[in-house]
Amino acid sequence: DTEVTQTPKHLVMGMTNKKSLKCEQHMGHRAMYWYKQKAKKPPELMFVYSYEKLSINESVPSRFSPECPNSSLLNLHLHALQPEDSALYLCASSQVGGGRKTEAFFGQGTRLTVV
Amino acid sequence: KQEVTQIPAALSVPEGENLVLNCSFTDSAIYNLQWFRQDPGKGLTSLLLIQSSQREQTSGRLNASLDKSSGRSTLYIAASQPGDSATYLCAAVASGGSYIPTFGRGTSLIVHP
Repeated sequence: DTEVTQTPKHLVMGMTNKKSLKCEQHMGHRAMYWYKQKAKKPPELMFVYSYEKLSINESVPSRFSPECPNSSLLNLHLHALQPEDSALYLCASSQVGGGRKTEAFFGQGTRLTVV
Repeated sequence: KQEVTQIPAALSVPEGENLVLNCSFTDSAIYNLQWFRQDPGKGLTSLLLIQSSQREQTSGRLNASLDKSSGRSTLYIAASQPGDSATYLCAAVASGGSYIPTFGRGTSLIVHP
């Protein structure tokens, strides 16, 4: 199983709403990532969790709050977003470095629209 | 800081052509390099991964090469088909502890019948 599952696939939310994006993998990967992708741009790294601990925060605004409740799950809590936060949010996972391969696997993304 | 550049930015070809997509990276101290395919509005599908100790990887009609010393990777697509139309992204994974993929801007490919 090389699948990363993201839910929901689409989300429309108002600027005062609170919502969460979810990501799940069962490959035993101990590194999980959140990326944001705007149209016709490459994915931009937001957060990295390594062994369920936040290891990298790319200066992301506090209206985005990540959570890693266990080694298979990654959440992104959203609150008071702006229209410019509308984007495709991608989750990825990989082995932590040191193995022979550190291949990253991505989910299909959540298309977020903030109105 | 690692920077990844992909050339060309866009490519439109007739079906059946052999294609070369280029990726260059500024820091040769990479752990591996990975090529992805992305269909519009969708996630990334891993195509090939080349470890730093390898020179190339093949999967079906796809062949990827890696020249670490010159900071270049090439994705070769043989006998292109309309179903190959997508954006192709390369990502260099830096060594030195972080193992974070850094993406290029991608090559948008259209293969027309």
